[in-house]
Amino acid sequence: GAVVSQHPSRVICKSGTSVKIECRSLDFQATTMFWYRQFPKQSLMLMATSNEGSKATYEQGVEKDKFLINHASLTLSTLTVTSAHPEDSSFYICSARDWGEQYFGPGTRLTVT
Amino acid sequence: GQQVMQIPQYQHVQEGEDFTTYCNSSTTLSNIQWYKQRPGGHPVFLIQLVKSGEVKKQKRLTFQFGEAKKNSSLHITATQTTDVGTYFCAGRHNQGGKLIFGQGTELSVKP
Repeated sequence: GAVVSQHPSRVICKSGTSVKIECRSLDFQATTMFWYRQFPKQSLMLMATSNEGSKATYEQGVEKDKFLINHASLTLSTLTVTSAHPEDSSFYICSARDWGEQYFGPGTRLTVT
Repeated sequence: GQQVMQIPQYQHVQEGEDFTTYCNSSTTLSNIQWYKQRPGGHPVFLIQLVKSGEVKKQKRLTFQFGEAKKNSSLHITATQTTDVGTYFCAGRHNQGGKLIFGQGTELSVKP
């Protein structure tokens, strides 16, 4: 199947700093990428849908100024958590769509201290 | 909003016992997918069901899509310790629509 990579896999940052997470589709071009957040023992919650070359569509309740998404190319989308706070600590997972199927990246575990 | 409900939340079984998790939507789904997430890992795609009443099998796993395309189930026969993880269903309410995940069922298997 298609491969989606994420970097970094883990990051610890101090409160108030910004963190950038990269999501790459390695062997296919993804016009649409998705960003999910998963808190411990909970399901995946869609944060935003990212389309190459256009603005991301955010789900209700997700602050677009806090979670900046850039989908600059068909193989790369980035999520920047700005002014991170401890409550932003979570598992962030990206997903890329290839011909109807969605492939998930390995996730980035963010801890804000 | 559109939701996909999944039960049970947890299931503890003895190795060799069967396991079933159920998903239900209040509205018709275009398709439903199933994922498995191992502890500490990310969701891994298992299968997609599209047709009304569809049944698909993968070794000991049997996936069903209801006739009304509002519910689905995953049944594992004779569980093994390697089946441990959280199983998620995820449905789309229209073609090309966003994937909405169920709450997941965490399966633990006692050897």
